[in-house]
Amino acid sequence: KAGVTQTPRYLIKTRGQQVTLSCSPISGHRSVSWYQQTPGQGLQFLFEYFSETQRNKGNFPGRFSGRQFSNSRSEMNVSTLELGDSALYLCASSLPAGSDTQYFGPGTRLTVL
Amino acid sequence: AQRVTQPEKLLSVFKGAPVELKCNYSYSGSPELFWYVQYSRQRLQLLLRHISRESIKGFTADLNKGETSFHLKKPFAQEEDSAMYYCALSGRGGSEKLVFGKGTKLTVNP
Repeated sequence: KAGVTQTPRYLIKTRGQQVTLSCSPISGHRSVSWYQQTPGQGLQFLFEYFSETQRNKGNFPGRFSGRQFSNSRSEMNVSTLELGDSALYLCASSLPAGSDTQYFGPGTRLTVL
Repeated sequence: AQRVTQPEKLLSVFKGAPVELKCNYSYSGSPELFWYVQYSRQRLQLLLRHISRESIKGFTADLNKGETSFHLKKPFAQEEDSAMYYCALSGRGGSEKLVFGKGTKLTVNP
């Protein structure tokens, strides 16, 4: 099976802009989670979607949002970008069988100038 | 509050030496514990989880509920074990949220 894919792999934006990141889960996986990884804060949970519904949410401002489509693909959006949003954004997919193994994508490296 | 603590940011050992990466957690309930590993230029991947009680690549981890610890151990480190190791927990019952520690960078010297 193909692994989790994320596009684009790299992005450069300026403050105030918005950005949309995309994640395609492993075929058959219906749960998609997003994480932000920074040198200072490490890996932090953003949100999790299952069957097009947000099932869990981390402690991030409302500028961070996401959605999931009927084919389980997911997007996350960050509006009004700030310098501190520069990070590696990781997507992970899993089968929705309780706390199942999460399979991670390669990430999207976002740089905000 | 859910919290995972990995006290060592860096750990350096020689090939063939035993290695232990420490992980302590805070969770009100019965969490599931994981170790994830990220080799250079590779994506984050699961190494092992406590409910599996298995050994992967010679690594084992035992959940100690009394000490709220889930330390990762390997009796004889290999150079290919050099990587970033993350301890993580999640709640039982359908929650997919993973709470990660800050990670330990393990370097195995020849």
